Amino acid sequence: AIQMTQSPSSLSASVGDRVTITCRASQDIRSDLGWYQQKPGRAPKLLIYGASSLESGVPSRFGGSGSGTDFTLTISSLQPEDFATYFCLQHYNYPRSFGQGTKLEI
Amino acid sequence: EVQLVESGGGLVKPGGSLRLSCAASGFTFSSYSMNWVRQAPGKGLEWVASISSNSNQIFYADSVKGRLSISRDSAKKSLSLQMNSLRVEDTAVYYCARGDLFDPWGQGTLVTVSS
Repeated sequence: AIQMTQSPSSLSASVGDRVTITCRASQDIRSDLGWYQQKPGRAPKLLIYGASSLESGVPSRFGGSGSGTDFTLTISSLQPEDFATYFCLQHYNYPRSFGQGTKLEI
Repeated sequence: EVQLVESGGGLVKPGGSLRLSCAASGFTFSSYSMNWVRQAPGKGLEWVASISSNSNQIFYADSVKGRLSISRDSAKKSLSLQMNSLRVEDTAVYYCARGDLFDPWGQGTLVTVSS
């Protein structure tokens, strides 16, 4: 099974900061990776698919990069509504696997 | 509007059974694979099961294999999760999600396994 190692597990930042979250896969997953945002009490929401494609309606301050085993989610200028938990998910093969999550806090 | 709505959660004793449903609308249900994902209180996301668009391929997490069963009814645009032999550690919010991209997700339904 593919293990997704996400870091950091938590991150303190301020409005306007640039932040980076990483996911590392235990084997090559090509670009079969998505990034999701989850706010308390809400369902996750897709931000980035195919490792680097921005989902429709998602602000352009969100960006994804990487392929193979190393992936990055970048938020270029944090806004108040961005404080949430972020997860990566590999859909290269089964079993599907999520990163452990990154809680982004003020 | 694409929408997924889960139902069927509740409180059940260890060893008991429960059936979750996910009603789909706003898209061609028969064209997409579907998934169940769960989230234990205060924890991360755990993939549970997936079913292909034509039900020919079904996959389960090892933690639920033999106890949980995913199925779909394209005529009713509905996804189901039959949960048997439930354990305390199955307590979680259960989400359904569409396709390989897991987009969108339903609002979730809470399953609590406790004596």
